[in-house]
Amino acid sequence: AQTVTQSQPEMSVQEAETVTLSCTYDTSENNYYLFWYKQPPSRQMILVIRQEAYKQQNATENRFSVNFQKAAKSFSLKISDSQLGDTAMYFCAFWNRDDKIIFGKGTRLHILP
Amino acid sequence: EPEVTQTPSHQVTQMGQEVILRCVPISNHLYFYWYRQILGQKVEFLVSFYNNEISEKSEIFDDQFSVERPDGSNFTLKIRSTKLEDSAMYFCASRLTGGDGYTFGSGTRLTVV
Repeated sequence: AQTVTQSQPEMSVQEAETVTLSCTYDTSENNYYLFWYKQPPSRQMILVIRQEAYKQQNATENRFSVNFQKAAKSFSLKISDSQLGDTAMYFCAFWNRDDKIIFGKGTRLHILP
Repeated sequence: EPEVTQTPSHQVTQMGQEVILRCVPISNHLYFYWYRQILGQKVEFLVSFYNNEISEKSEIFDDQFSVERPDGSNFTLKIRSTKLEDSAMYFCASRLTGGDGYTFGSGTRLTVV
């Protein structure tokens, strides 16, 4: 069975700094997708970025980028120039043809003014 | 940007009562899901629905739960006889293709008293 592990329950960084959230996963599949979802205090789940496992190039969305290491089964999220609005819970997630998203337990990120 | 709409945003119900949580997925999406998040815990898969039938369900999704797509737009989750432990945030999601990731609704907070 697939598992997703986020080892950092909580992090705090100063506004404008760069922060990296860690995620590892376990699967025997070769084709899958990985996602980072953001859950602000409103508790809505917002897709931040996605990565296709067969693509070696790391995905980037504006200030958000990932470091995808397929052999190591690692999928970290980097937030550059962090902003107060980035304060949220961040979930790493895995999806494959079983068609259910497996979420990690989340990392609560605080951006400090 | 297309949205998944969930109503109500918050529902309080007495233990043993039936509740129906409503969702309007994105109109051209084909796959529909319900997930739940007990406060402070990870987001868990409940059920997936495609072509007017359940594709897969988790062990959480017992006989007290049912889903329905009564018309071309709504997707509902019914809990027949609520228990205290059903208190959670319930998220509806839909997708067109797996690689796009799911689009989640803003959730319904269910409180069973």
